[in-house]
Amino acid sequence: AQKITQTQPGMFVQEKEAVTLDCTYDTSDPSYGLFWYKQPSSGEMIFLIYQGSYDQQNATEGRYSLNFQKARKSANLVISASQLGDSAMYFCAMREAGRTGTASKLTFGTGTRLQVTL
Amino acid sequence: GAGVSQSPSNKVTEKGKDVELRCDPISGHTALYWYRQSLGQGLEFLIYFQGNSAPDKSGLPSDRFSAERTGGSVSTLTIQRTQQEDSAVYLCASTRTGSGNTIYFGEGSWLTVV
Repeated sequence: AQKITQTQPGMFVQEKEAVTLDCTYDTSDPSYGLFWYKQPSSGEMIFLIYQGSYDQQNATEGRYSLNFQKARKSANLVISASQLGDSAMYFCAMREAGRTGTASKLTFGTGTRLQVTL
Repeated sequence: GAGVSQSPSNKVTEKGKDVELRCDPISGHTALYWYRQSLGQGLEFLIYFQGNSAPDKSGLPSDRFSAERTGGSVSTLTIQRTQQEDSAVYLCASTRTGSGNTIYFGEGSWLTVV
């Protein structure tokens, strides 16, 4: 079974509008972290936002917010006031604490390509 | 520098040759990861280091791939007898121990096997 599912291969949004990128995850580990990364055409992976499984509040970082719905195992990224520079691939990822509690690999979804239009 | 450093940034090699890719993690980061990303694809996990040991090497695609980490710092990914399907970007990332710590990526090593 896929641990991270991103069901939107591509999304379009108009400049200055908000957009939600979907991410669902699957884990039985009570301790885990959820991450969103942006990958522009240059190829670098840019960290955007993090949500811990025990965090009570949704994470926010500037124009990025994470809509964390733990019971639904959902961690959607919301980008407000989209800009042309937001056009990129966006990856959702999860890192589980594991049996030793020291954490392990980061598992990625297949990504969503976001295109911001004028 | 302050970030994850990878070298070479670009490498073109002939099929059958061996290549070494280097990763210098952020100072103090005990965990180090190697991923591979083929053109237009997602990230494929290769290997994870905690200190100098590799508790998870399940992603290495064949015995032509190996990696080591020395001194809890620099890591080298070696691909022997390269094949054209090895052409990809090889990304290294590092973090402190613990699932809540941000994981930082290097800019990648673009490998082309001709």
